[in-house]
Amino acid sequence: AQSVAQPEDQVNVAEGNPLTVKCTYSVSGNPYLFWYVQYPNRGLQFLLKYITGDNLVKGSYGFEAEFNKSQTSFHLKKPSALVSDSALYFCAVRVNQAGTALIFGKGTTLSVSS
Amino acid sequence: GAGVSQSPSNKVTEKGKDVELRCDPISGHTALYWYRQSLGQGLEFLIYFQGNSAPDKSGLPSDRFSAERTGGSVSTLTIQRTQQEDSAVYLCASSLGGTERGYTFGSGTRLTVV
Repeated sequence: AQSVAQPEDQVNVAEGNPLTVKCTYSVSGNPYLFWYVQYPNRGLQFLLKYITGDNLVKGSYGFEAEFNKSQTSFHLKKPSALVSDSALYFCAVRVNQAGTALIFGKGTTLSVSS
Repeated sequence: GAGVSQSPSNKVTEKGKDVELRCDPISGHTALYWYRQSLGQGLEFLIYFQGNSAPDKSGLPSDRFSAERTGGSVSTLTIQRTQQEDSAVYLCASSLGGTERGYTFGSGTRLTVV
């Protein structure tokens, strides 16, 4: 069965510092990987995805993520955090298979202090 | 409309009552998904509709939960004989037909069972 894990419930960083939000996955085939963000009192928004190709994927708001097949990870990164990045972040996975919905992790709360 | 619309935004119901939650996807989106977001549980997949295919109901937690999608557009999630553990935010998302395109989420319905 496919699954995705976000090992940290919360990540705290100071504004201007780099940030990493971790995600690992478990699938039996080639994964499709996604990151979504949920700002307070708003719906989830798509950030970026990895389907195939370059392992480093760039997305919205200056975020990027690196697909690492050997470590089965897809960590979200940003070189310089902003206070406005504070939100709940979800990693999601789907096996390259038609008719399958995304499986989401439990989410990681990112708190950026000024 | 421009986005995924869900109604009501908030619903308080008494234990044992039935509730209906509505989702109006983006026009032209063939895929529609229901998820449940509970504190500490992340996003839990419930059901997935894709075009005229039989829905994937594998995530429905019990036979008290059902969903339908009429005319390939609006979807209704019904919870019968609600229980307190059903309290959560119910999120609907739609996409152009594949998860690789990314989902567009609605703002959700916050259900409280008292």
